[in-house]
Amino acid sequence: GAVVSQHPSRVICKSGTSVKIECRSLDFQATTMFWYRQFPKQSLMLMATSNEGSKATYEQGVEKDKFLINHASLTLSTLTVTSAHPEDSSFYICSARVGSGSLAFFGQGTRLTVV
Amino acid sequence: AQKITQTQPGMFVQEKEAVTLDCTYDTSDPSYGLFWYKQPSSGEMIFLIYQGSYDQQNATEGRYSLNFQKARKSANLVISASQLGDSAMYFCAMSPTGGGADGLTFGKGTHLIIQP
Repeated sequence: GAVVSQHPSRVICKSGTSVKIECRSLDFQATTMFWYRQFPKQSLMLMATSNEGSKATYEQGVEKDKFLINHASLTLSTLTVTSAHPEDSSFYICSARVGSGSLAFFGQGTRLTVV
Repeated sequence: AQKITQTQPGMFVQEKEAVTLDCTYDTSDPSYGLFWYKQPSSGEMIFLIYQGSYDQQNATEGRYSLNFQKARKSANLVISASQLGDSAMYFCAMSPTGGGADGLTFGKGTHLIIQP
């Protein structure tokens, strides 16, 4: 299957700082990527849709000024958690759909801990 | 809006037995796709199988098959001859079809434990 690479896999940051997470499609071009958040023992919730060359589309209740998304190329989308707080601690995972959209592959995920 | 319901929070199954994980869905979209993913403790989401709403046959991928009953809006995952390595969280998800511009809606998952 297609490969989506996410980095870093784990990050610990201090409250008030910003953290950038990268999501790359390694063997295909992705005009659209998706960012999800997963709290412990819960399901994945779609946060935003990242569109190459245009603004991201955020789901209801997701603060666009806190979760900055940039999709500057067809193989890279970044999620920046700005002014992180302990309640932002979570598992963040990106995804891209391939071909006609019948396949959706995920990155390895990033476990963010804000202390 | 789309909704996925997985009613089995946890399941214990003996090794080598077949297991069925339940998934029902609700959507107003005329065309949609159904997905199953496996999430081990490492957190990665492993794609298992996909079923399009207009596919005539049930999808199969190795030991995985999807029992798709459109009228009942169910898309159960069947794992044949379970193995210890199958122990993980399993998520059912869906999305409107049509080019891949939509994210997935996930169910709450089923924690499957395979016992020796």
